[in-house]
Amino acid sequence: AQKVTQAQTEISVVEKEDVTLDCVYETRDTTYYLFWYKQPPSGELVFLIRRNSFDEQNEISGRYSWNFQKSTSSFNFTITASQVVDSAVYFCALSEASTGNQFYFGTGTSLTVIP
Amino acid sequence: NAGVTQTPKFQVLKTGQSMTLQCAQDMNHNSMYWYRQDPGMGLRLIYYSASEGTTDKGEVPNGYNVSRLNKREFSLRLESAAPSQTSVYFCASTIIEAATRPQHFGDGTRLSIL
Repeated sequence: AQKVTQAQTEISVVEKEDVTLDCVYETRDTTYYLFWYKQPPSGELVFLIRRNSFDEQNEISGRYSWNFQKSTSSFNFTITASQVVDSAVYFCALSEASTGNQFYFGTGTSLTVIP
Repeated sequence: NAGVTQTPKFQVLKTGQSMTLQCAQDMNHNSMYWYRQDPGMGLRLIYYSASEGTTDKGEVPNGYNVSRLNKREFSLRLESAAPSQTSVYFCASTIIEAATRPQHFGDGTRLSIL
């Protein structure tokens, strides 16, 4: 079973629109960590954020914000006032304290911001 | 600011050939990882090394071997390449086990097997 589901395969928005990327995860651990990574067209993977399971506080970093809800097992990512430079593939990932080094990635959401 | 360095960046092989992908990190990280990225499948863990001298299988280890040469270097070997191993390979490292820390990734190796 997929531990991290990113149901949105591709999204296109017009520049300056807000966009939310969904991430739903599955785990039985009480201690776990959630991550978002960005993969721009150049191909490298860039770390964006990490949350642990005990911290449900939402986080804002500039135009980026993250909404962590344990009740729905979701860790959604919103980009406000999108820009062309936001065009990339975004991956959500999960790691569990019980499995240490196993890192589970979703299949990614490809975001295209149209100027 | 090299971070994680992978070589080569691109490679084309014929079926049955062997090849070693190299990875080195200069961040004094303990743990290192090899992933493959295939369209529509995200990244899947091939092997990892939690610390120098140890290696363990990940989700998709078949057809691969690894060597943790020292703390800095972690290589991935394809003994007899198959077309199904055409993929983009990423090496990553983290200071301690992945569960608690973000991983730092190399730029990837694009491998095509004909």
